[in-house]
Amino acid sequence: NAGVTQTPKFRVLKTGQSMTLLCAQDMNHEYMYWYRQDPGMGLRLIHYSVGEGTTAKGEVPDGYNVSRLKKQNFLLGLESAAPSQTSVYFCASSYPTGRLALTYEQYFGPGTRLTVT
Amino acid sequence: AQKITQTQPGMFVQEKEAVTLDCTYDTSDPSYGLFWYKQPSSGEMIFLIYQGSYDQQNATEGRYSLNFQKARKSANLVISASQLGDSAMYFCAMKETSYDKVIFGPGTSLSVIP
Repeated sequence: NAGVTQTPKFRVLKTGQSMTLLCAQDMNHEYMYWYRQDPGMGLRLIHYSVGEGTTAKGEVPDGYNVSRLKKQNFLLGLESAAPSQTSVYFCASSYPTGRLALTYEQYFGPGTRLTVT
Repeated sequence: AQKITQTQPGMFVQEKEAVTLDCTYDTSDPSYGLFWYKQPSSGEMIFLIYQGSYDQQNATEGRYSLNFQKARKSANLVISASQLGDSAMYFCAMKETSYDKVIFGPGTSLSVIP
């Protein structure tokens, strides 16, 4: 049981290049999330998905696209990377339980450190 | 709109002492959940404790407890008997029933002094 994995762990891109980050979970979770973490700003939600085939925008979606073709995978794409997208990217998954489906522990991946030069 | 505020960017505590990390939130939803996560220097995010808005009692998990004051919209984390391994970033987060998003605060850096 690997939990949540992210590929790659590190990447350096040049401005204008594209790439895809892969998040995979083996816990059969419905919900998956992509966050970015920048110093002093905590985690900001980029996009999320509440099930296979569904995606929604978070707080900072511009410049990113996502897809959830399979329940276990959530892809984050950067079509034309910019230096402002230099960050650590975290994927998380969860299965809401408990009263009003609020008990909602998120399981996080180890993060991907992306640098755009 | 959801909003989480953590006003203490950095905190110091003596080993074996207790420390309180502040978290205030803003929501108009009557139903919501509050979470605390720990992020050590290694980078992983570790779930610590959960409090539901309808829970009558404050949540506790080992040395962690949540001082939940609903009227003041605060959910402070209390760590008792601090250990050196508690040195980390701590994030408060919230989920409303109206939304599927989980929103995080900016975090508090805690340093435990031997």
